[in-house]
Amino acid sequence: DTEVTQTPKHLVMGMTNKKSLKCEQHMGHRAMYWYKQKAKKPPELMFVYSYEKLSINESVPSRFSPECPNSSLLNLHLHALQPEDSALYLCASSQVHTEFNTGELFFGEGSRLTVL
Amino acid sequence: KNQVEQSPQSLIILEGKNCTLQCNYTVSPFSNLRWYKQDTGRGPVSLTIMTFSENTKSNGRYTATLDADTKQSSLHITASQLSDSASYICVVSAPRGGGNKLTFGTGTQLKVEL
Repeated sequence: DTEVTQTPKHLVMGMTNKKSLKCEQHMGHRAMYWYKQKAKKPPELMFVYSYEKLSINESVPSRFSPECPNSSLLNLHLHALQPEDSALYLCASSQVHTEFNTGELFFGEGSRLTVL
Repeated sequence: KNQVEQSPQSLIILEGKNCTLQCNYTVSPFSNLRWYKQDTGRGPVSLTIMTFSENTKSNGRYTATLDADTKQSSLHITASQLSDSASYICVVSAPRGGGNKLTFGTGTQLKVEL
């Protein structure tokens, strides 16, 4: 099983809503990632979890709150978002994430978020 | 200036033809270089990963080359198919404090037509 599963596939929310994006992998990977991708742009790293601990936060606004309940699950909690936060949110996992190596990344299909 | 630059920005070719996509990078030091294929609205899929000591790596009809001295890589697609229509992204991995960093190129949008 080499899948990274993301839910929901599509999400529309108002600026006052609270919602969550979910990501799951069963490959035994110990590193998980959130990326944000705008149309026709490359993915931008938001967060990295390594062994269930937050290891990288790319100065992401606090309205995005990541959570890693266990080694297979990664959530992204959303609150008070802005319309410019509308994007494709990609989850990825890899076997390891060290200073010298990011293992092969396996991406999910993404969650398309629209903020009204 | 982007540390990973790809060319061309977009490309249209006929089915069955070959094509080569280019990637120049300035990231240094670097751990490895990757090529991903991303269909519209979907997550990227890994095609190849090469360390600095590898010159070439193949994955079916995809062949990547790497020249670590000139900091250039290419992705050659042989006998293109309609399903090859996608964005191809070059990604360079480099060590950084607190963890490894991936720098993404802006991609080459490939369209294969009949």
